[in-house]
Amino acid sequence: AQTVTQSQPEMSVQEAETVTLSCTYDTSESDYYLFWYKQPPSRQMILVIRQEAYKQQNATENRFSVNFQKAAKSFSLKISDSQLGDAAMYFCAYRSGDTLAGSYQLTFGKGTKLSVIP
Amino acid sequence: DTAVSQTPKYLVTQMGNDKSIKCEQNLGHDTMYWYKQDSKKFLKIMFSYNNKELIINETVPNRFSPKSPDKAHLNLHINSLELGDSAVYFCASSQGSHRGVEKLFFGSGTQLSVL
Repeated sequence: AQTVTQSQPEMSVQEAETVTLSCTYDTSESDYYLFWYKQPPSRQMILVIRQEAYKQQNATENRFSVNFQKAAKSFSLKISDSQLGDAAMYFCAYRSGDTLAGSYQLTFGKGTKLSVIP
Repeated sequence: DTAVSQTPKYLVTQMGNDKSIKCEQNLGHDTMYWYKQDSKKFLKIMFSYNNKELIINETVPNRFSPKSPDKAHLNLHINSLELGDSAVYFCASSQGSHRGVEKLFFGSGTQLSVL
């Protein structure tokens, strides 16, 4: 079974600074996908960024980028120019490359609570 | 237009009661899911349905019974509610393709409190 570990229960960052959230995972599969989700106090789950394991290039979405190290099974999220609206729980998630009849299962880490200090 | 909508948003009930949470998606997706987020914010899949058929059924007490009348709806019925059932329940949907980094669309969650 796959596992996802987020070793930082809480992090804080000054507004406009950069912060990196760590995520490691354990899998024996070679084909898989990785995601970062944001959950603000509104409770809504928002997809921040996603990465295909077969792609060597790190994904970026505006101020969000990842450092994907496949051999080390590491998938960290970097948030640049942090804004107050970035304060939220961040979840790292893993998905197998295979699906069951079109269904797939996201395995989540336990989350990192990010605070942004004005 | 809400893509994945679930009702109610909040549900407070007594132990032993039976309750249902409804979910509807207007995205034309083939696959729907229920996830549970416990008090420590840990998210875990409970069920998935593809075209009204149960595909994924994680270790969940049989007091939880999902029902999919059509592929746009996946309801969750819970019998004999227990204190430990208190959590946020998320409905989600996806296109249902076999490959690709397709996106999972989440509803806004139902916070269930069992007293």
